[in-house]
Amino acid sequence: GAVVSQHPSWVICKSGTSVKIECRSLDFQATTMFWYRQFPKQSLMLMATSNEGSKATYEQGVEKDKFLINHASLTLSTLTVTSAHPEDSSFYICSARDWTDQIQETQYFGPGTRLLVL
Amino acid sequence: AQKITQTQPGMFVQEKEAVTLDCTYDTSDPSYGLFWYKQPSSGEMIFLIYQGSYDQQNATEGRYSLNFQKARKSANLVISASQLGDSAMYFCAMREGRAAGNKLTFGGGTRVLVKP
Repeated sequence: GAVVSQHPSWVICKSGTSVKIECRSLDFQATTMFWYRQFPKQSLMLMATSNEGSKATYEQGVEKDKFLINHASLTLSTLTVTSAHPEDSSFYICSARDWTDQIQETQYFGPGTRLLVL
Repeated sequence: AQKITQTQPGMFVQEKEAVTLDCTYDTSDPSYGLFWYKQPSSGEMIFLIYQGSYDQQNATEGRYSLNFQKARKSANLVISASQLGDSAMYFCAMREGRAAGNKLTFGGGTRVLVKP
């Protein structure tokens, strides 16, 4: 149980293009999903909290117009990196919380997406 | 101030031996949760163990146990009988209460390399 998928796992794109990353909870419903960014040899940094049916909450310093988040269903959240630039190259990883887990509220992570912007 | 501190950037452990990974945290919220995750080179984050701030007993999950010392604000992970597959980055994380948005804050991580 508690499987989260992420697609694509790898993406290489040209500067100026937009990239969409999907995060799906496969065997549970997630009212809340999270998007993180991780640079090499560093820890995870939370970018935004995505709530089903409402606007995402972005962390300080994260441009909401650049990183568009949509959480249209209880099993799917998407992150779109708009007009990507080389500095956006990173490892993006999502997590989801099972809405029935009201005690631990464990976050289960997807396998991550490596983005390289040329 | 750092909310989650992992002071060991890296460590070696002999196969079949136990290893303790340090984690200290800082919060004024009486209700919080502490998590440990494993990140192998593939990048996925694997949930290992959870400790709630009100839990009376230390959490255990198979070869993983959490040494929870609330007064010291520490939540060290103990891996017993290390295996080669345990080589990975390990992250300690804290979830504070609703006032903090129930978000996870991660420590800097500890890289473990198990030697045969």
